[in-house]
Amino acid sequence: ETGVTQTPRHLVMGMTNKKSLKCEQHLGHNAMYWYKQSAKKPLELMFVYNFKEQTENNSVPSRFSPECPNSSHLFLHLHTLQPEDSALYLCASSQKQGIWQTQYFGPGTRLLVL
Amino acid sequence: QQQVKQSPQSLIVQKGGISIINCAYENTAFDYFPWYQQFPGKGPALLIAIRPDVSEKKEGRFTISFNKSAKQFSLHIMDSQPGDSATYFCAASSLQGGTYKYIFGTGTRLKVLA
Repeated sequence: ETGVTQTPRHLVMGMTNKKSLKCEQHLGHNAMYWYKQSAKKPLELMFVYNFKEQTENNSVPSRFSPECPNSSHLFLHLHTLQPEDSALYLCASSQKQGIWQTQYFGPGTRLLVL
Repeated sequence: QQQVKQSPQSLIVQKGGISIINCAYENTAFDYFPWYQQFPGKGPALLIAIRPDVSEKKEGRFTISFNKSAKQFSLHIMDSQPGDSATYFCAASSLQGGTYKYIFGTGTRLKVLA
């Protein structure tokens, strides 16, 4: 499989649940990103990993916990979420973090928090 | 100052017409301006991008016009086709705090009528 894949594609969870989103890129990239996409809002950058090191945490609440075990995989661990966290969560990758880098996005995980 | 303002929010164009989407920014440090196209159920995909040292870039039916003095850039889709119906996002990137960050517009939902 090529490109950036995300699982699951859809997730419904209660506020007390713990779940994880998975992202895998098959492009040989070294930078990976988590974005939140809500209706009528700009894409919000959440986290950036460059060569497995977290380089950006955009003031994201601690109920979101990222993990990057290697350059190909990125996880987003979720716990005690709020209904306002319902959104499309997009993973992206690029060759590296830097100027003029094209980001390749996965299809996203549609999350609903009840 | 970190915002990228995108308009219109939605756009309906007849097949064969020209679709025009505009973005404006304030931060003169932005130095890379990509446009992304997103189909329902898919992640955004890079469509075309421009650097501030050129005023126009054309790729097939897609053209970016860049006005550095006005701090505006726009996407023109010539001979619009029903297959172009998607949501389009402009973005701007700059070096901030030692890392490159992307700021996205709120998106324009384009519908091309057959």
